[in-house]
Amino acid sequence: KAGVTQTPRYLIKTRGQQVTLSCSPISGHRSVSWYQQTPGQGLQFLFEYFSETQRNKGNFPGRFSGRQFSNSRSEMNVSTLELGDSALYLCASSLDPNRGAGYTFGSGTRLTVV
Amino acid sequence: AQTVTQSQPEMSVQEAETVTLSCTYDTSENNYYLFWYKQPPSRQMILVIRQEAYKQQNATENRFSVNFQKAAKSFSLKISDSQLGDTAMYFCALRMNRDDKIIFGKGTRLHILP
Repeated sequence: KAGVTQTPRYLIKTRGQQVTLSCSPISGHRSVSWYQQTPGQGLQFLFEYFSETQRNKGNFPGRFSGRQFSNSRSEMNVSTLELGDSALYLCASSLDPNRGAGYTFGSGTRLTVV
Repeated sequence: AQTVTQSQPEMSVQEAETVTLSCTYDTSENNYYLFWYKQPPSRQMILVIRQEAYKQQNATENRFSVNFQKAAKSFSLKISDSQLGDTAMYFCALRMNRDDKIIFGKGTRLHILP
């Protein structure tokens, strides 16, 4: 079966712009989580959606937002981009994390802010 | 707050040798899951092995096994008969049973030398 698909793979944006990243989970997975990966901070949790509801949110400013659609696909939006937002953004899907199911990650979107 | 610590930033071993990656974590809760993820240069995070805290038996997946010491809050990964394809960044991760976010360590970069 198809894995977690993230688009685009690479993105270059200018400071002040906004960006939308997309994640299509594995078919049947209802939970989608987003992580930011940087060399300095490592992997940090952004938020998690389950059945179109945000269940958990990490310590990121309000410029970072997301949503999930009825088909479980999720988008993440970053407004007013800053240089520090340059990172690899990873999406992970899970069948049922509350039952201890593991997460399957996508290959990420590499965002560069110039 | 929960934390995950990987004390070895980088390691190198010869092909076919056995290598052990260290991980310690901190949590005051009793119900949680521990993971080891592998991230090769392709960037995709791949689940290597998973351990449920309530299970005393150490998890094993082919050449990969863990040494889970709950009282010591230690969760090391052993790779037997290492292969060139094992070269990657390895992340130890913790997830509470009540929560959806995964807390990652900073990672250990593992090089398998021919």
